[in-house]
Amino acid sequence: AQSVTQLDSQVPVFEEAPVELRCNYSSSVSVYLFWYVQYPNQGLQLLLKYLSGSTLVESINGFEAEFNKSQTSFHLRKPSVHISDTAEYFCAVNGRGSQGNLIFGKGTKLSVKP
Amino acid sequence: DSGVTQTPKHLITATGQRVTLRCSPRSGDLSVYWYQQSLDQGLQFLIQYYNGEERAKGNILERFSAQQFPDLHSELNLSSLELGDSALYFCASSPDFGGSTDTQYFGPGTRLTVL
Repeated sequence: AQSVTQLDSQVPVFEEAPVELRCNYSSSVSVYLFWYVQYPNQGLQLLLKYLSGSTLVESINGFEAEFNKSQTSFHLRKPSVHISDTAEYFCAVNGRGSQGNLIFGKGTKLSVKP
Repeated sequence: DSGVTQTPKHLITATGQRVTLRCSPRSGDLSVYWYQQSLDQGLQFLIQYYNGEERAKGNILERFSAQQFPDLHSELNLSSLELGDSALYFCASSPDFGGSTDTQYFGPGTRLTVL
């Protein structure tokens, strides 16, 4: 079985500041890792995912996440945030060889202030 | 817009009632997933269908059931509703049988309020 812990429920930050949203996972098997974003009053959208290969994965809008197997982490970072990044971010895991249902963390609300 | 549609957007009903939530997956997607999002439990997987057949089951109550029809749309039926069933219900779809690497595309959700 897998589980995901997002350590911060809310992260307030000023515009153009860097941000890190933390995610740790637990699993007895190898995993695939995902970050989804939920903008206000919308469904979830995939931001990026780690399947294999390079441990650093990037999204098209400047976010990146690094898979760290020894620390069982998949933290999401952005060097300079915009007001439009205000949303809730969910880390999710799926065990290799398991069914497709995702195990989500509780989410982190990122609030970017001007 | 993910291409996944869900109806209705909002549903207000009373305890003990039964409701049906509807989901149309993206064109060509064969897998449909249902998730429940609540303040206390977060996002929880309920059930998955692939091409009309149940493929995986999560924390779905016995009062809840789902099916996927030949045209691939899916319905989630919630019966004997309780206050605690109030939540946002998401449907997601993916192109294939739902392997663990698949990207899931989420609909906008149906907000259910049980009074």
